Amino acid sequence: SQQGEEDPQALSIQEGENATMNCSYKTSINNLQWYRQNSGRGLVHLILIRSNEREKHSGRLRVTLDTSKKSSSLLITASRAADTASYFCATTPPFSAGNNRKLIWGLGTSLAVNP
Amino acid sequence: GAGVSQSPRYKVAKRGQDVALRCDPISGHVSLFWYQQALGQGPEFLTYFQNEAQLDKSGLPSDRFFAERPEGSVSTLKIQRTQQEDSAVYLCASSLGGGRNTEAFFGQGTRLTVV
Repeated sequence: SQQGEEDPQALSIQEGENATMNCSYKTSINNLQWYRQNSGRGLVHLILIRSNEREKHSGRLRVTLDTSKKSSSLLITASRAADTASYFCATTPPFSAGNNRKLIWGLGTSLAVNP
Repeated sequence: GAGVSQSPRYKVAKRGQDVALRCDPISGHVSLFWYQQALGQGPEFLTYFQNEAQLDKSGLPSDRFFAERPEGSVSTLKIQRTQQEDSAVYLCASSLGGGRNTEAFFGQGTRLTVV
């Protein structure tokens, strides 16, 4: 079962523009992570934001988390053709879930950055 | 390289055949996960190991699926009597610790096609 829903499902932008993707989830979380997937490098971890954090930056990436709305956003600034990929959010359950360590994934946003 | 290695990269199996998929995690990583990813979907959790202990197998879809990690390093996912609905990419991931706030590193996956 999928936990998250990303929107939009697909996004096409020009190089240099910013790309914003959103993720909503259903249950309590310990943290939320964003991953990128393309055929060349598989699934690559981008950034992790804990449930007590509201915003995090890493290079051209900016992630926000609103636990009251159970939503997160990923902003990629000054996009490049190499950013073309599918982007997934994934959540981990809180400590109260015992040995449950699994990542629960959304359906992903397919981003195309046109040169 | 020092990443997570999966083999084979591609496997075509006739319906009813048994298959075994191998995962070599990053050396020293305590946690190991198996996920199943259907075309156009996000990954779905199958099972989780901490060292050699299988702590969560709640995602295994049927008793035809079996995973092991006998020495706390290499893991094998076995699917018996494969069915067409088993066709998917099987992803293995490892992480250094057993905590929830550690990054997971993914292999390139094994693409299984059942014909």
